[in-house]
Amino acid sequence: DSGVTQTPKHLITATGQRVTLRCSPRSGDLSVYWYQQSLDQGLQFLIQYYNGEERAKGNILERFSAQQFPDLHSELNLSSLELGDSALYFCASSVDIGAGDETDTQYFGPGTRLTVL
Amino acid sequence: EDQVTQSPEALRLQEGESSSLNCSYTVSGLRGLFWYRQDPGKGPEFLFTLYSAGEEKEKERLKATLTKKESFLHITAPKPEDSATYLCAVQANGNQFYFGTGTSLTVIP
Repeated sequence: DSGVTQTPKHLITATGQRVTLRCSPRSGDLSVYWYQQSLDQGLQFLIQYYNGEERAKGNILERFSAQQFPDLHSELNLSSLELGDSALYFCASSVDIGAGDETDTQYFGPGTRLTVL
Repeated sequence: EDQVTQSPEALRLQEGESSSLNCSYTVSGLRGLFWYRQDPGKGPEFLFTLYSAGEEKEKERLKATLTKKESFLHITAPKPEDSATYLCAVQANGNQFYFGTGTSLTVIP
C-alpha cells in the first residue's frame, strides 16, 4: 500500500457525460500528479500540482481539468466524455518537486478505471 | 523530442535465468530516472531512482544502472513472483515526466 488513495475504483458512464476523480496524497506529500493509462499508449502524464498550484502540464485535453485543494487532495474533472477516454487514471504523489533527490519519487495510487459507453 | 524507449516489449525467462531490461532516453536535461514495477490493473510500485551516470542501486534480485543515454534493470535468478511489467520513467527539466511503455516480464517455473 503506497498510502495514496483514489476514489472511485471503477466508474462507468456514457459519452457526453462529466465525471470527477478524487485523489488523496500520502501524508506529508505536497505534490500530486495525474496520469492516464490506456492499452495502446502506456502511462501519459497529464498534469502536476504542488501545494495547490499547477506546476507542469503534459498531454491534458482541454475537456479535462484538475485542481489541488488546501487540504492537498486533488480532483480530476473529465467532461464531454468520449469512448477514447476509457482508461485507467492514476494519481501519484511526492514530497517535493525538482529537488533532485529521493523526495521527488512519485508513489502511485491504485487507480480509477473509467469506462465510457 | 523527449522520449523514453524500453526494450524488449516482452520477455519470457525460465526461473533462475538472469537477464536485463533496457531503457534508453533522449530528454532535455535528465533530473532523475525511475524504475517501477506494475502488476495488471494495479498502480506502479516504486523500485529505484537514479540521478547520475555510473550510479547503481540494488534490491533483492534487481539491480539498476545508469549511463548517459540508457538504464538497465538486471534481474538475477528471477522467480515467478517477479513476473510483472517494468516501467522506466525520466524526469526532465521543467518537471516533465516521461514514461516508457514497459517490458512485460514472464518468469516460467
